Amino acid sequence: NAGVTQTPKFQVLKTGQSMTLQCAQDMNHEYMSWYRQDPGMGLRLIHYSVGAGITDQGEVPNGYNVSRSTTEDFPLRLLSAAPSQTSVYFCASKTGTGVTGELFFGEGSRLTVL
Amino acid sequence: GENVEQHPSTLSVQEGDSAVIKCTYSDSASNYFPWYKQELGKGSQLIIDIRSNVGEKKDQRIAVTLNKTAKHFSLHITETQPEDSAVYFCAAKVGAQKLVFGQGTRLTINP
Repeated sequence: NAGVTQTPKFQVLKTGQSMTLQCAQDMNHEYMSWYRQDPGMGLRLIHYSVGAGITDQGEVPNGYNVSRSTTEDFPLRLLSAAPSQTSVYFCASKTGTGVTGELFFGEGSRLTVL
Repeated sequence: GENVEQHPSTLSVQEGDSAVIKCTYSDSASNYFPWYKQELGKGSQLIIDIRSNVGEKKDQRIAVTLNKTAKHFSLHITETQPEDSAVYFCAAKVGAQKLVFGQGTRLTINP
């Protein structure tokens, strides 16, 4: 049982490049989400999903796209990276479609945009 | 929208002493308040949570108190140990499907 797996753990991009952060969970969780963590700003919700085919925006969605084609996977896409997207990204999942109850976090992906 | 303020940003206590971290929230409709612990290089883990129909909840050395009238809640850690050193985040539920997190508190336990 691997839990929530994020790849890659580290990535350096140039401004304007695109990339996808992968997130996979093997717990059959309905709810999946992406957060970014910046110094002094805590965890901010980017996008979330309550099931395959269903996604919605969080607090800071601009510059990011998501899709949920399967229950297990929830990739986060940066179409044209900007220095402001330098951050640590966390994927989290939980059972059910609401946020009451434990969120299981991945170990994070550190992204640097030059 | 919901705003969650967390204080202090850093906290240093002697091993065996107590630590208190405070959070305030703005949306009176929020009814669920979890606390997460993030150790270096790891994802966050839920350590305790409280719903708005109770004022206090305890789990061994950890307790959370909630004051709905004042819209603030606090994490209390007693008899602190070196393994309590971590970054702690409070959060408040917004609607049914979103959590808004505080800015985080870096807790250091000094031996």
